[in-house]
Amino acid sequence: DTGVSQDPRHKITKRGQNVTFRCDPISEHNRLYWYRQTLGQGPEFLTYFQNEAQLEKSRLLSDRFSAERPKGSFSTLEIQRTEQGDSAMYLCASSLDPAWSYNEQFFGPGTRLTVL
Amino acid sequence: RKEVEQDPGPFNVPEGATVAFNCTYSNSASQSFFWYRQDCRKEPKLLMSVYSSGNEDGRFTAQLNRASQYISLLIRDSKLSDSATYLCVVPWGGFKTIFGAGTRLFVKA
Repeated sequence: DTGVSQDPRHKITKRGQNVTFRCDPISEHNRLYWYRQTLGQGPEFLTYFQNEAQLEKSRLLSDRFSAERPKGSFSTLEIQRTEQGDSAMYLCASSLDPAWSYNEQFFGPGTRLTVL
Repeated sequence: RKEVEQDPGPFNVPEGATVAFNCTYSNSASQSFFWYRQDCRKEPKLLMSVYSSGNEDGRFTAQLNRASQYISLLIRDSKLSDSATYLCVVPWGGFKTIFGAGTRLFVKA
């Protein structure tokens, strides 16, 4: 399967714990996005990587959230000191785009986080 | 005003009907637009892209009205398999991508 993969698919944690999610994009894709989606809403942009550089981060994202994409391959999203409001589906997407253009984003199946 | 707004629906239509959804956006500088489809508990998948005035793909037609800052999606001859949530997507300048909240469609036999 050469699509976008995410791990784990489900995560249940207690409030205050740290969690880390992994995304493996389609191998030649230079762009990687993280989104958060709650019930009845569309995906909400969290952050964006062009290769290994994190070029944009949502102002809605608190300091408890951090993302990395070492070597421009897989990416990790860490949430520290989780809160119940962090419960959501976390989606990763990748695309292959020339500069300043937008092509199709391919989404992974998501990681569903439940904070108790 | 929200950056991207959609009527949440749901739209309940019989098979064979024609249905249209609108999406308004507030960034007049946006140049390209997309419609994604999301099935229940699944990830979004690209349905159509709209770069100029419009795009047609079989039963689906997307149109762009830059002056009024909206895009529309028309589905003709609706099928049961068209039941899904349709997400309007607007790249926002820089590298941010804004999704609408989605419009839910139910097609009934």
